[in-house]
Amino acid sequence: AQTVTQSQPEMSVQEAETVTLSCTYDTSESDYYLFWYKQPPSRQMILVIRQEAYKQQNATENRFSVNFQKAAKSFSLKISDSQLGDAAMYFCAYRRGDTNAGKSTFGDGTTLTVKP
Amino acid sequence: SQTIHQWPATLVQPVGSPLSLECTVEGTSNPNLYWYRQAAGRGLQLLFYSVDIGQISSEVPQNLSASRPQDRQFILSSKKLLLSDSGFYLCAWSGGMGSYNSPLHFGNGTRLTVT
Repeated sequence: AQTVTQSQPEMSVQEAETVTLSCTYDTSESDYYLFWYKQPPSRQMILVIRQEAYKQQNATENRFSVNFQKAAKSFSLKISDSQLGDAAMYFCAYRRGDTNAGKSTFGDGTTLTVKP
Repeated sequence: SQTIHQWPATLVQPVGSPLSLECTVEGTSNPNLYWYRQAAGRGLQLLFYSVDIGQISSEVPQNLSASRPQDRQFILSSKKLLLSDSGFYLCAWSGGMGSYNSPLHFGNGTRLTVT
C-alpha cells in the first residue's frame, strides 16, 4: 500500500519569506500523481498544486512551486513571499494513475503559521 | 462550473441514533465520489468511494455505510452511532473515467459529535 509521510507537524515563516514543506511517499507504481492541498481554519480543502510523475519539470502555481525528486520519492512544496492568508494546514496526497478509482492517500499534514 | 454541496455543516447526535449525511455535485457527470473522515489535527482517512451509480467500495470496516442512489448524490449513513464515529466528514468528487490526474474537490465538511 502507498504511504505518504509529512515529517513536519508544524512550521512557521515570517511574512514575505520563503518556506518549504516536506513530503515523502512510498510506492511501487510508476504512474501516479501528487498533490498539495491547503486547509485553512475554515476547513475548506482546496487544491494548491499538482504534479504528474511522468513529468520531469517541477510544477509551479504563482508563489507555489514543488521540488519533485522521483528517485528519492520526495515532493516538497515551496511557498515564496509568504502571506498571512497562507496560514493553514497543508496536506500532501498521492494518487495512482492507472486506475479509474483514483483513491488518494494523504499525509498527516503540516500546520503552517505565518508571522506578521 | 462544478459545485459540491454537503450538509449538514454540524450535527450533534446521541449514541445509538441513526445518521444520514448527504452530498450532491452539480455541473459534472459521472464523477467519482468519496467520503473521508478527518480526526482532529490529522490527515484524511478514506471511508468509501464510488465510480458509478449503485457501486460502493469500502476502505475501512466500520459502523458506517454509503450509498449512491443517483449519479451525483452520495450518502453516508449509520443505523446506530458510536462515540468513535465523532469527527469531521468530508465529501469529495473527482473526474471519472479517463480523468486520472483530476484532483479532489471537497465539500465544506460536516462536524459530527456523538454524545
